Amino acid sequence: EPEVTQTPSHQVTQMGQEVILRCVPISNHLYFYWYRQILGQKVEFLVSFYNNEISEKSEIFDDQFSVERPDGSNFTLKIRSTKLEDSAMYFCASGYRGGYTFGSGTRLTVV
Amino acid sequence: GIQVEQSPPDLILQEGANSTLRCNFSDSVNNLQWFHQNPWGQLINLFYIPSGTKQNGRLSATTVATERYSLLYISSSQTTDSGVYFCAVEPGDSWGKFQFGAGTQVVVTP
Repeated sequence: EPEVTQTPSHQVTQMGQEVILRCVPISNHLYFYWYRQILGQKVEFLVSFYNNEISEKSEIFDDQFSVERPDGSNFTLKIRSTKLEDSAMYFCASGYRGGYTFGSGTRLTVV
Repeated sequence: GIQVEQSPPDLILQEGANSTLRCNFSDSVNNLQWFHQNPWGQLINLFYIPSGTKQNGRLSATTVATERYSLLYISSSQTTDSGVYFCAVEPGDSWGKFQFGAGTQVVVTP
């Protein structure tokens, strides 16, 4: 069964550094998403991406965050200047109105 | 927004036992999915089940969309079933923007 692949599985970064989380969605999917889960909390929506632009974003997704599909296969989430409170699991998902597949996640630890 | 409630919040099972997890939601949905989050935090896709019943090995799920609930059944539980089980719904007006429940923490003891 096709999978959404996320790399790295765990990333440690220093506060203030830029970090890029990478995802390879399922090849024939058209919609792409990032979600976040702070430790002990619910999984929450960050942003959706369709046709090379953001279609919707949550209040969490401020100017520190950006997304890109640089080469037609990867889908990235960039955090420009990480804060301690950005420490969380980040999940990528892809789909097309018929079910969505989530990646296993990247654990981001900001120290 | 749509409310998603999962019950019970915690469940302790002895290996080999069966269990039922429930997900109630407050409004009509396009889609409902179940996930298992293992102790390392990884999310595992279990079922895409907007309605009806599906089975995958020892796991099965049923969604009754008209009554706004879904059930996840775990049969003959194993220690590897431990983790958090999440239900997530896609509201009727928000394609792909899932609202997750708080999860059911399952611990399976040998």
